[in-house]
Amino acid sequence: GNSVTQMEGPVTLSEEAFLTINCTYTATGYPSLFWYVQYPGEGLQLLLKATKADDKGSNKGFEATYRKETTSFHLEKGSVQVSDSAVYFCALKETSGSRLTFGEGTQLTVNP
Amino acid sequence: DTAVSQTPKYLVTQMGNDKSIKCEQNLGHDTMYWYKQDSKKFLKIMFSYNNKELIINETVPNRFSPKSPDKAHLNLHINSLELGDSAVYFCASSQGTGTTPLGFFGPGTRLTVL
Repeated sequence: GNSVTQMEGPVTLSEEAFLTINCTYTATGYPSLFWYVQYPGEGLQLLLKATKADDKGSNKGFEATYRKETTSFHLEKGSVQVSDSAVYFCALKETSGSRLTFGEGTQLTVNP
Repeated sequence: DTAVSQTPKYLVTQMGNDKSIKCEQNLGHDTMYWYKQDSKKFLKIMFSYNNKELIINETVPNRFSPKSPDKAHLNLHINSLELGDSAVYFCASSQGTGTTPLGFFGPGTRLTVL
């Protein structure tokens, strides 16, 4: 079956540091890949997406590139802010149907 | 203006009780979902309805029964609550069941079973 593996958290960074959260996946076919963010006390929000190999999703300074050869979709941001503190989820969606498979989430804390 | 709303936001109850969580979306979407997030933040799909028809039914105890009176509502009823049911339950919606990403989640209902 499909699965998503994220780097273990929690991750703690200082403001303006570079962020990488690793995500790898296992799937049949050509899934779509997503990053979601969950701010404290809120529901998940779609952060960015990529639907085919070599696509780069970007939003709010975050980027992730769909790498089929390494089955990865790592999340990066060049300079994090305190307001980026949240839990980040990598997810994949199979080519047919609506089922989303989530990774286990990575807690990010950014200190001033 | 809330896209996906859930009630209640917090629910504290005793073991053995029966409770319901309600979800409504005003986006005109035709597909709705329930997800469970455990204490380690892991999210797992429970159910999905498309136009009031059940399309995803994961391995969930039959104490959990979803009900969709119309395509804008998907409620979750839980019988004989157990300690292990304590979690945050998220409702979500999307348009269609194909390539549309799941962009809209509710704020969650934190269920605590004592």
